[in-house]
Amino acid sequence: EAGVAQSPRYKIIEKRQSVAFWCNPISGHATLYWYQQILGQGPKLLIQFQNNGVVDDSQLPKDRFSAERLKGVDSTLKIQPAKLEDSAVYLCASSRQGLSAEAFFGQGTRLTVV
Amino acid sequence: DAKTTQPPSMDCAEGRAANLPCNHSTISGNEYVYWYRQIHSQGPQYIIHGLKNNETNEMASLIITEDRKSSTLILPHATLRDTAVYYCIVIGHGANNLFFGTGTRLTVIP
Repeated sequence: EAGVAQSPRYKIIEKRQSVAFWCNPISGHATLYWYQQILGQGPKLLIQFQNNGVVDDSQLPKDRFSAERLKGVDSTLKIQPAKLEDSAVYLCASSRQGLSAEAFFGQGTRLTVV
Repeated sequence: DAKTTQPPSMDCAEGRAANLPCNHSTISGNEYVYWYRQIHSQGPQYIIHGLKNNETNEMASLIITEDRKSSTLILPHATLRDTAVYYCIVIGHGANNLFFGTGTRLTVIP
């Protein structure tokens, strides 16, 4: 089966600009996650969707980050305006409903804010 | 907060068994032990999980102590492609959040 697809693979922007990342989960997976991974650290959950509803966004910096999952399939994560400390890899993952710990991850988008 | 403690790094000779330890002394009765790994420039990959009993699949074996306070992930014949960061995660089945600590960086040496 096809894996989790993410784009773009790399992105470089200046601080205060905006950026958007796209994720297409594995077909049939109801749960979708966005993680942020800063260099040298483990991934940190930003937001979790169950179908098109938000389950957990407690770690999402809502003043600048937003995410949506229209129609319960694809998802976009946006940062506006970006800060230097947002430089990280943004990982999307999906899982079947009720099996949240067996998640499948995409390759991630590496964001560099200069 | 991390519920697990792992050594920051380990080396293993190619072809030998790699034994990666994990301490989870505060684990609850309904919490599972999951292992993921992350190869450089890739997203994390699920390896194996268990509750009480030892588990084995095509990738690895998981040995959980009787008191469940620690576990060991065993890669029976490590190859260079097994070089990665290995994360031990404790989570209730069906729970929301996979909390990744800093993991163990395993380096397989030729």
